[in-house]
Amino acid sequence: SQTIHQWPATLVQPVGSPLSLECTVEGTSNPNLYWYRQAAGRGLQLLFYSVGIGQISSEVPQNLSASRPQDRQFILSSKKLLLSDSGFYLCAWNQQGDQPQHFGDGTRLSIL
Amino acid sequence: GEDVEQSLFLSVREGDSSVINCTYTDSSSTYLYWYKQEPGAGLQLLTYIFSNMDMKQDQRLTVLLNKKDKHLSLRIADTQTGDSAIYFCAESANTGGFKTIFGAGTRLFVKA
Repeated sequence: SQTIHQWPATLVQPVGSPLSLECTVEGTSNPNLYWYRQAAGRGLQLLFYSVGIGQISSEVPQNLSASRPQDRQFILSSKKLLLSDSGFYLCAWNQQGDQPQHFGDGTRLSIL
Repeated sequence: GEDVEQSLFLSVREGDSSVINCTYTDSSSTYLYWYKQEPGAGLQLLTYIFSNMDMKQDQRLTVLLNKKDKHLSLRIADTQTGDSAIYFCAESANTGGFKTIFGAGTRLFVKA
């Protein structure tokens, strides 16, 4: 069966520090991969999605970037974190664009 | 553009039925979903319905779809305290894109 893993679960970082969040999917090949941010008490904001290795689409201009170095690995990065980058970051996957997305457990990022 | 709207809060007594409502704007939706998010966790797919269906029942969950009014509802029978969570409505369309549009979520409070 397919599983999705995100780490770390929580992260506290100072303003201006770099960021790397990792997401991996097991049990499937060539998945679509997604990064979302959920601000406190808010809905989901799609940040990036990827349909294949090295293919990244950005949904909103921001301080973050994404990479997909391997088929089932999706990384969210920043060179210099801002206070506004705080939030709950969720990775998700599906096999086709209109099918249900399956979510990881999320990473809670706090910027001090 | 596409939009999904849902009320932010719902409070029910344990044992009563809960009905969470959602409206959407994209008439080309292929799938409509309900996700559940417990505190500090990712989103869990509860159920989904194809746009050519009117109703889907799965144990205590009943999904009703009114395509004419673009209205989706989730009914939870015999609501338990463990059902307290945020419920997200979402839609996706097979238009060649890879977006699923999420509502802001309805926070369900279950009073014992």
